[in-house]
Amino acid sequence: GAVVSQHPSRVICKSGTSVKIECRSLDFQATTMFWYRQFPKQSLMLMATSNEGSKATYEQGVEKDKFLINHASLTLSTLTVTSAHPEDSSFYICSAGRGLYSNQPQHFGDGTRLSIL
Amino acid sequence: DQQVKQNSPSLSVQEGRISILNCDYTNSMFDYFLWYKKYPAEGPTFLISISSIKDKNEDGRFTVFLNKSAKHLSLHIVPSQPGDSAVYFCAASGSSNTGKLIFGQGTTLQVKP
Repeated sequence: GAVVSQHPSRVICKSGTSVKIECRSLDFQATTMFWYRQFPKQSLMLMATSNEGSKATYEQGVEKDKFLINHASLTLSTLTVTSAHPEDSSFYICSAGRGLYSNQPQHFGDGTRLSIL
Repeated sequence: DQQVKQNSPSLSVQEGRISILNCDYTNSMFDYFLWYKKYPAEGPTFLISISSIKDKNEDGRFTVFLNKSAKHLSLHIVPSQPGDSAVYFCAASGSSNTGKLIFGQGTTLQVKP
């Protein structure tokens, strides 16, 4: 069964709206979660690393004021797309791993399809 | 700068035959490699992984081969089944980037009955 839950699965909203996406680890604690973005027919691009109890680490070129990340507990990270515009329309996916080290596979949520009109 | 590359956007094979998906990487610091399978509108599902200390890892119908000198890995699926039809992503991680994955562009596999 799913080990990472992401909600909502789809959002359609008007330009200028802020949208919050939740990512939960269901049966394990995740001190670190990751947020990815995928454009059609392209790869998953890492946006940021969400760290429980501290600030997120953003990849180069990702606006931290645009994509707000909060990791308030060991099982929940949220990504808020602030004042979303049509160019923010994309597929957003989170991941979390059971282990602390790189030899543990990341488990992904089912993603959120964001469409900004 | 694409550190992980899947140069074949698509692959079509007949049911029962072998599917071979390829992946190349440029960063010699990568020490852990994974293959994920993805259906439309869903998140990637982990398939198989390999550590850089190994050159082969097998799990049922799936085998991953790693050639460190060539910075190349491949995923073999045998026998291929129609249910294997999906997009396959290879991903790499370095020991200094715990859990952080760099993905290739993906290869769409179609297995024909």
